[in-house]
Amino acid sequence: AQRVTQPEKLLSVFKGAPVELKCNYSYSGSPELFWYVQYSRQRLQLLLRHISRESIKGFTADLNKGETSFHLKKPFAQEEDSAMYYCAPNTNAGKSTFGDGTTLTVKP
Amino acid sequence: NAGVTQTPKFRVLKTGQSMTLLCAQDMNHEYMYWYRQDPGMGLRLIHYSVGEGTTAKGEVPDGYNVSRLKKQNFLLGLESAAPSQTSVYFCASSYSLDDGEQYFGPGTRLTVT
Repeated sequence: AQRVTQPEKLLSVFKGAPVELKCNYSYSGSPELFWYVQYSRQRLQLLLRHISRESIKGFTADLNKGETSFHLKKPFAQEEDSAMYYCAPNTNAGKSTFGDGTTLTVKP
Repeated sequence: NAGVTQTPKFRVLKTGQSMTLLCAQDMNHEYMYWYRQDPGMGLRLIHYSVGEGTTAKGEVPDGYNVSRLKKQNFLLGLESAAPSQTSVYFCASSYSLDDGEQYFGPGTRLTVT
C-alpha cells in the first residue's frame, strides 16, 4: 500500500537553529515528491518539488531513493517558518497522498 | 485570476441536514480534488475528478457525493450530515499528469452538531 510517514507531529526549534522535517514514503514506481506548507490562516501552498531541485525560502529537500525519504531541511530557521508542513508523493492521475503533517514552531 | 475559490467559508449544520460545498477554479485545470483536514490526521482525499463529467473515490468517500458537470466546478455534497463530518474541507486542482502541483482553495470549516 502507498504510504507517507511524517514521524514528528510537532517540532520546535529556536531561531537560527537548523531544522529537518522528516518524510518517508512507501510507493511503487517513482513518484514525484512535493512539500506543501500551510501558514496560520492561509491556504496550503507548494513549498518545493524535488524535480526542480530549487531552494525555496532557504529550504531544500533531497530525495534518497535508497531510504525512500524526502526530508526537508533549512540550516537557519526563522520565526516566519512556523507553519504546518506536509510531504506529498504524487502518483499517476495527479493524486497526492499527504502525510499527517508536521507543525513547526520556531521560537525567538 | 482568482485561482481556487470555495463557497461557503463557514457552515454549521444539524445532524441529518444536507448541504453542498462549491469549488471553482479559473485556471483551466483538468484535475480537481476534495480533501478533509482533521487534527492529527493530515489531509485525506475524499473524491477527485480527472476531467469534466468524471469522478472517482478517494480514501474516505463514505457519506459524500460529488459532481463535475463543468470543468471549472467541483461540488461536494453531504446528503445527511453527521458529527463525524465536522472538519475543514479543502478543494484543490492541478493541471495535468506531468505537472502534479496542486493549487488549494481557502477551505470551508464545517461543524455538524
